[in-house]
Parts: sequence; C-alpha cells; structure tokens
Amino acid sequence: EVQLVESGGGLVQPGGSLRLSCAASGFTFSSYNMNWVRQAPGKGLEWVSYISSSSSTIYYADSVKGRFTISRDNAKNSLYLQMNSLRDEDTAVYYCARGVTTLIVSLLHWGQGTLVTVSS
Amino acid sequence: EIVLTQSPGTLSLSPGERATLSCRASQSVSSSYLAWYQQKPGQAPRLLIYGASSRATGIPDRFSGSGSGTDFTLTISRLEPEDFAVYYCQQYGRSPWTFGQGTKVDVK
Repeated sequence: EVQLVESGGGLVQPGGSLRLSCAASGFTFSSYNMNWVRQAPGKGLEWVSYISSSSSTIYYADSVKGRFTISRDNAKNSLYLQMNSLRDEDTAVYYCARGVTTLIVSLLHWGQGTLVTVSS
Repeated sequence: EIVLTQSPGTLSLSPGERATLSCRASQSVSSSYLAWYQQKPGQAPRLLIYGASSRATGIPDRFSGSGSGTDFTLTISRLEPEDFAVYYCQQYGRSPWTFGQGTKVDVK
C-alpha cells in the first residue's frame, strides 16, 4: 500500500523558515516524480513544486520561487520542502503527492497533509 | 502561466441528476495533461480523471471526462450522495502546473 506521511509543519513567524518532510513507503520511491501541493484555509488547491525521480528536473510555482527548495533523498525514501522567508500567505496545509505511474504524473496518491501557520 | 477557469462556482443538484462541470484554459492544454480531482471536507484530494478522459483506478464509471484544447468537461451521469464535494481541474503539461478554483457540487 502506498503511504505518504508529511511532517514538520507548525507555527512560524513571518520571515522564518521551516522544513517539511514526506516519508514514502509501499512503492519504489526512487522511480517516481514527486510534488508538493498546498491549500490555504478555506481556499482551493495550489501546486507548489515538482521534482523528478533523479532530482534532475525541478519546477516551482512563481509564488514560492526563490524562497522554497524541493529536494529528495532516495536512499531514505523521503521528500523535503525547505521554506524560507515565510509570509502570511504561505499559511496552508501542505501535501506531498505522487503520480499515477512513473510516466503519468497526475496526482494519484496524497499524504494527509501538514499544517503550516505563518503568524506573529 | 496557464489559468484554468472553472464554471459554475457552485452547482446545486439533487441525487440522481446529471452534473456537468466546465474547465476552460487560457492557453491550449495537451489532453494528455488535464486531470480532475474530487475533495471532501477534511480530506486530501482524490484523483478522478487523468489525460482528460481516463478514469483513475477504482473510480466509478458515472464519472467521465472529455474535451481538448482549451475546453474540458467533467460529467457525473447520476449523482450519488457521496458525490457532493468540490471538484478541481489541473493542468500538468506546462510549468507552472495550475489548478482551477474549484466547483462545489451541493445538494439542492
């Protein structure tokens, strides 16, 4: 069974930093591209970042480019999101998500999410 | 950036009725890269359709997707009680990937 478990969320002041982790199990993590998607309270979904299986290709939403860094450790079956210079508008539930297959990247498997609150 | 506009914002229907949800893109989207998701309160999204018309594993055949270019449609042929939720379209053909703002299907 595919499992994605996010951690690392919490309360942080504006301008602060936080590192999210996503522990993957039940599949060959090193073969799959991965994503972070967020959802502000009461709002819609916003794609945040994508990383290919080998980390060779990385994309970011314009809203986080230059502040967030996605990375992965295939030996540890883990995905990360380093978030710096956090703003109030970064407050959201952050989900990690995996594609249908190694080639079909629409998001079939999702974690339960971790809440990040940016507030003074 | 490709902007996805979903309509209507809210669709009020009764169980058994047909639901037709629209997703319009600001630029052409390859049909291979358009997905639909369902989300219920407090839950992660659930993939329904990928590649514009392929149902994900375990999705009932009352859900169908169609369209190409800039106009895509999700159809629920006969609404079941568990189908009342928010639905999002997403394009993942060109970075940055983008979601529509969502259509809420609620009980009339």
